[in-house]
Amino acid sequence: SQQGEEDPQALSIQEGENATMNCSYKTSINNLQWYRQNSGRGLVHLILIRSNEREKHSGRLRVTLDTSKKSSSLLITASRAADTASYFCALSNDYKLSFGAGTTVTVRA
Amino acid sequence: DADVTQTPRNRITKTGKRIMLECSQTKGHDRMYWYRQDPGLGLRLIYYSFDVKDINKGEISDGYSVSRQAQAKFSLSLESAIPNQTALYFCATSDTKGAKYEQYFGPGTRLTVT
Repeated sequence: SQQGEEDPQALSIQEGENATMNCSYKTSINNLQWYRQNSGRGLVHLILIRSNEREKHSGRLRVTLDTSKKSSSLLITASRAADTASYFCALSNDYKLSFGAGTTVTVRA
Repeated sequence: DADVTQTPRNRITKTGKRIMLECSQTKGHDRMYWYRQDPGLGLRLIYYSFDVKDINKGEISDGYSVSRQAQAKFSLSLESAIPNQTALYFCATSDTKGAKYEQYFGPGTRLTVT
């Protein structure tokens, strides 16, 4: 099944800095979603971007989608210690999700 | 998310035992899903159900079975547990009303098969 591939696998930044992670995929999608997972807990939905959208914002999050390049990026601005987590992109078709392996973000105080 | 609960939260079992993981939701969603997560990997879909009478296999259904007892309850069974089924298991729900695609996850069940 299709999966997204996140890059980088891990990211360490200083509090207050921005964090950017990317997701590439190979097939067509209905929408692409980003989720956050704190240390072994359940995933939390962050943001959804539809295939006909190019950019979406939610608070300190900015997501872009380039369907011609089959890629998406998630930007977290002004990072905080609480942003330390794993972030997953999920490709969506027909209400099913396919997850990538995730990017682990560590925000240092 | 307290709206999606999973029991048990942790379970250690022996090879060959049958085990059931349970999921309940109070969100009123029609769709429910079971995933497993292995260390360093993303989630993989085991089974999904679009309503009580609709059950579908995901990408890794071998060795698993499910039961949708009611709209709010979706159980996952391991017929004869084996060590490589040691993983973190998540239940999730979604709501097709209004074409909403986001999923809501339970806290997970950590299963160890010895």
